[in-house]
Amino acid sequence: DAGVIQSPRHEVTEMGQEVTLRCKPISGHNSLFWYRQTMMRGLELLIYFNNNVPIDDSGMPEDRFSAKMPNASFSTLKIQPSEPRDSAVYFCAGGLGVGDEQFFGPGTRLTVL
Amino acid sequence: GQSLEQPSEVTAVEGAIVQINCTYQTSGFYGLSWYQQHDGGAPTFLSYNGLDGLEETGRFSSFLSRSDSYGYLLLQELQMKDSASYFCAPSLGNSGNTPLVFGKGTRLSVIA
Repeated sequence: DAGVIQSPRHEVTEMGQEVTLRCKPISGHNSLFWYRQTMMRGLELLIYFNNNVPIDDSGMPEDRFSAKMPNASFSTLKIQPSEPRDSAVYFCAGGLGVGDEQFFGPGTRLTVL
Repeated sequence: GQSLEQPSEVTAVEGAIVQINCTYQTSGFYGLSWYQQHDGGAPTFLSYNGLDGLEETGRFSSFLSRSDSYGYLLLQELQMKDSASYFCAPSLGNSGNTPLVFGKGTRLSVIA
């Protein structure tokens, strides 16, 4: 297995633009998590899914953020419109269960100018 | 409320032993995990404590005391490659269906 796949690995965009981050979890992993990492706030959980169903999105900072998981092998995190304060590394992670060991993707480094 | 504390930075000498402490406050607790993250990389799983006591995996050991809401990661025979950030990540719920909580982690620098 190739592990968790995220794309793009780097994204540079201008304020106001829409950004879509993509994640392909490891086959068979039922839980999927989106995290944001910054120096100031550390690694924060944004939203997580269990069996493709969003369970808790209380970590999503604003309505500008949305996430979907249309099937077991794909998830997206969308920011519209993007702002400079959204600049961070966004990680997708998966696991067999919500509380089990998580396998992280390589992350997407987002820079909003 | 919930809180999670661990030192922001630790420096240790190659070959030495270092202990990274973690304290948490929460109304519910299921277990404590530790993750390692090298600069520019992704967090990777190191260990998990579901019960009180010490878990050993090679040069790394992790300890949990539920009554003290406290755990630590012990790294022995430090190597330069151990320079990384280390996150304690409690599962702040009463079942295995509660996600982990990460914080800012502890940045470990191993010096010669």
